Amino acid sequence: QKEVEQNSGPLSVPEGAIASLNCTYSDRGSQSFFWYRQYSGKSPELIMSIYSNGDKEDGRFTAQLNKASQYVSLLIRDSQPSDSATYLCAVKAGNMLTFGGGTRLMVKP
Amino acid sequence: DADVTQTPRNRITKTGKRIMLECSQTKGHDRMYWYRQDPGLGLRLIYYSFDVKDINKGEISDGYSVSRQAQAKFSLSLESAIPNQTALYFCATSDTRFGYYNEQFFGPGTRLTVL
Repeated sequence: QKEVEQNSGPLSVPEGAIASLNCTYSDRGSQSFFWYRQYSGKSPELIMSIYSNGDKEDGRFTAQLNKASQYVSLLIRDSQPSDSATYLCAVKAGNMLTFGGGTRLMVKP
Repeated sequence: DADVTQTPRNRITKTGKRIMLECSQTKGHDRMYWYRQDPGLGLRLIYYSFDVKDINKGEISDGYSVSRQAQAKFSLSLESAIPNQTALYFCATSDTRFGYYNEQFFGPGTRLTVL
């Protein structure tokens, strides 16, 4: 059984702070890793993809991948109240994505 | 804009009824997926299709069936709905040209309630 684990939260950070979201996965053959943002009652929106060990930056978002530790994280710099949402980690192994249960982030003004 | 649409957006039905959820896309993607989402359980794959002639079961296919009518259309059916199929259902698409990465893009979702 392939597993993707996330702390359900909520993770509460003050506006302007760095939010750090973490995800671990069980399948060492996993090839691609994704972060989706989902607002309440809405569909998941892809915000970051990462395929190689190390960091990938896109605006205020940085994804970090460590395949040896089977760990992927998302950093959100200068957090804004509009970043308050559930963040889903997804891992591709073979032809399918496996999703974690999501971490709820709350950014307080 | 190229998009993924789902109909209906909300549906309330009764136990034992047959119901169909429809998904259409204008992205030109060849791969399509159906997921359900329950609180705290994340997204779970029901069925997926890599082209019109290719249909595959996902993690939780029991009680569901699908039809890929065209590259752009993928329907999910509940032959005899039961209350534990109450959930949020999402259709997603991806493109073989980026198959290694399999970035998936989601429709707006259908909220289904089975009484």
